[in-house]
Amino acid sequence: VQLENSGGGWVKPGGSLRLSCVASGVSLSDTWVYWIRQTPGKGLEWVGRMKRKTEGATVDYAAPVKGRFTMSREDSENILYLQMNNVETEDTAIYFCTTATFAYWGQGTLVAVSS
Amino acid sequence: QGVVTQESSVTVSPGGTVALTCGSSTGPVTSDHYPYWMQQKPGQAPRTLIYEISKRHSWTPARFSGSLLGGKAVLTLSGAQAEDEADYHCSVSYNGYVVFGGGTKLTVL
Repeated sequence: VQLENSGGGWVKPGGSLRLSCVASGVSLSDTWVYWIRQTPGKGLEWVGRMKRKTEGATVDYAAPVKGRFTMSREDSENILYLQMNNVETEDTAIYFCTTATFAYWGQGTLVAVSS
Repeated sequence: QGVVTQESSVTVSPGGTVALTCGSSTGPVTSDHYPYWMQQKPGQAPRTLIYEISKRHSWTPARFSGSLLGGKAVLTLSGAQAEDEADYHCSVSYNGYVVFGGGTKLTVL
């Protein structure tokens, strides 16, 4: 199983960015999937979770990102996305995708928000 | 949702045993909180060692074990090795919303 994160970079406050998580060896539609971020000052922080396709692919978000971030999945390509809109400086972090029981993790992609 | 607390740093001697704890500001950590333990070394993604209190992944060394004790989740390392020096993170689920502790820096010295 491998998860490959990409899409990070520098973005200005108020801007947008889309992160990707390409999976191999596991079907993302058959498992719960998560985005988790890490900042030096605040440690690990749960961003959101998407349930299995058979469970309606229900998504829940952490309060700091609700209304600004959107998780989605392209099942035909086995890719998980995190659309980040109206970003804030506090969103600066390394973003990881991970699967059910946090068994498998991507390598992370760095998002830096500054003017 | 509550605040999850961990020791900021702990030191263990090589071959020694150490217990890291994970508490919740809302009260005792129980099986309903599905506590997890992750190990993270510098520059690497976290690696989950223990999930749902005490379940090991296939890659989890047998010297790591998880339990509930005194209202907290506990990660016990028996027979510490130099390679176990790392940050250890716990997580707790509050009705499906996951909260992480601040992490414990474990030094093997």
